[in-house]
Amino acid sequence: AQSVAQPEDQVNVAEGNPLTVKCTYSVSGNPYLFWYVQYPNRGLQFLLKYITGDNLVKGSYGFEAEFNKSQTSFHLKKPSALVSDSALYFCAVRQHNTDKLIFGTGTRLQVFP
Amino acid sequence: DTEVTQTPKHLVMGMTNKKSLKCEQHMGHRAMYWYKQKAKKPPELMFVYSYEKLSINESVPSRFSPECPNSSLLNLHLHALQPEDSALYLCASSQDQGETQYFGPGTRLLVL
Repeated sequence: AQSVAQPEDQVNVAEGNPLTVKCTYSVSGNPYLFWYVQYPNRGLQFLLKYITGDNLVKGSYGFEAEFNKSQTSFHLKKPSALVSDSALYFCAVRQHNTDKLIFGTGTRLQVFP
Repeated sequence: DTEVTQTPKHLVMGMTNKKSLKCEQHMGHRAMYWYKQKAKKPPELMFVYSYEKLSINESVPSRFSPECPNSSLLNLHLHALQPEDSALYLCASSQDQGETQYFGPGTRLLVL
């Protein structure tokens, strides 16, 4: 069965520092992986996805994610964090047989000034 | 334009009320979704419509009744809800089932 894990409930980083939000996956076959961000009392916003091709995927708002097949990871990264990046981040994998999105438990990113 | 709109933004209802949530998209997407999200938890899939037909029902109680009047609209009819149904209800759409989903802002529902 496909699944994703986000091992950190919360990540704290100082503004201007690089940030990483971790995600590992378990799938049979080629993974379709997604990152979404959710600001308080809002819906989810699509950041980026990996389907095939380059392992480094660039997305919205300066975010990028690196697909690592050997480590089954798809960590979200940004070179320089902004206070406005503070939000809840979800990693997701598409379930092959049903096309459903399977979400991780979410990681709260807190960027301090 | 990747906008999905939802109305109302907030809804308070009693356990005997009947209400409806509405979702609209004009991106030409053929798949639409309803999710339920509790605080600080990931969204839980409720229903999927593909080409205006119900594709997935995640064993949701019958007090939730989805409807897809046309390819741009998705409704969720609510009747005899319980306080534990209080949550953020999210609508999403995608070009086709399995493609990237774009979410609306949600309806915050409180059942008293």
